[in-house]
Amino acid sequence: AQSVTQLDSHVSVSEGTPVLLRCNYSSSYSPSLFWYVQHPNKGLQLLLKYTSAATLVKGINGFEAEFKKSETSFHLTKPSAHMSDAAEYFCVVPLGGGYQKVTFGTGTKLQVIP
Amino acid sequence: NAGVTQTPKFQVLKTGQSMTLQCAQDMNHEYMSWYRQDPGMGLRLIHYSVGAGITDQGEVPNGYNVSRSTTEDFPLRLLSAAPSQTSVYFCASSPRGRGSTEAFFGQGTRLTVV
Repeated sequence: AQSVTQLDSHVSVSEGTPVLLRCNYSSSYSPSLFWYVQHPNKGLQLLLKYTSAATLVKGINGFEAEFKKSETSFHLTKPSAHMSDAAEYFCVVPLGGGYQKVTFGTGTKLQVIP
Repeated sequence: NAGVTQTPKFQVLKTGQSMTLQCAQDMNHEYMSWYRQDPGMGLRLIHYSVGAGITDQGEVPNGYNVSRSTTEDFPLRLLSAAPSQTSVYFCASSPRGRGSTEAFFGQGTRLTVV
């Protein structure tokens, strides 16, 4: 069965420094993978999506993620953190079957220190 | 440009009361789902629907009912509220398609059961 593991529940970075949020997946085939962001007291918004077209995926707000099959990873990165990046980030994998049933990682809260 | 609309945004219930959380989408999406979000647990699927008249259970369905009489609406009913149902509830919708597509989320309903 497909699943994702987010390796850090909290990450703290200084403004202007790089961001790395880690996600490992488990799947019997090359899955689609998503990153969603949730700002405080808001709904979830799609950040980026991997669908096997390219292993390096660029998303909104300067974020990108690289699909590494050999490492079963899909880590989210950003070169320079901004205060507005403070949010919770979820790695998501679809469970397949043609309909959009997905499973969420447990989330990583990103704190950005001024 | 409404997207997914959830009502109410906040609700306090007494133990044993029943209520319905409303969810409506105006994007003609076939797939709709309800999640609950609890600290440290990510989002867990309660119920989902792949089209009008078709619903199925997710990971944590106990204590909740759903129905899908139209494409647009997917209400979630709490039959007899319990403190364990204190959570933030999100409704989401997705179009059906080949591979996996983006899910669109409502803003959430924060429910407290006392």
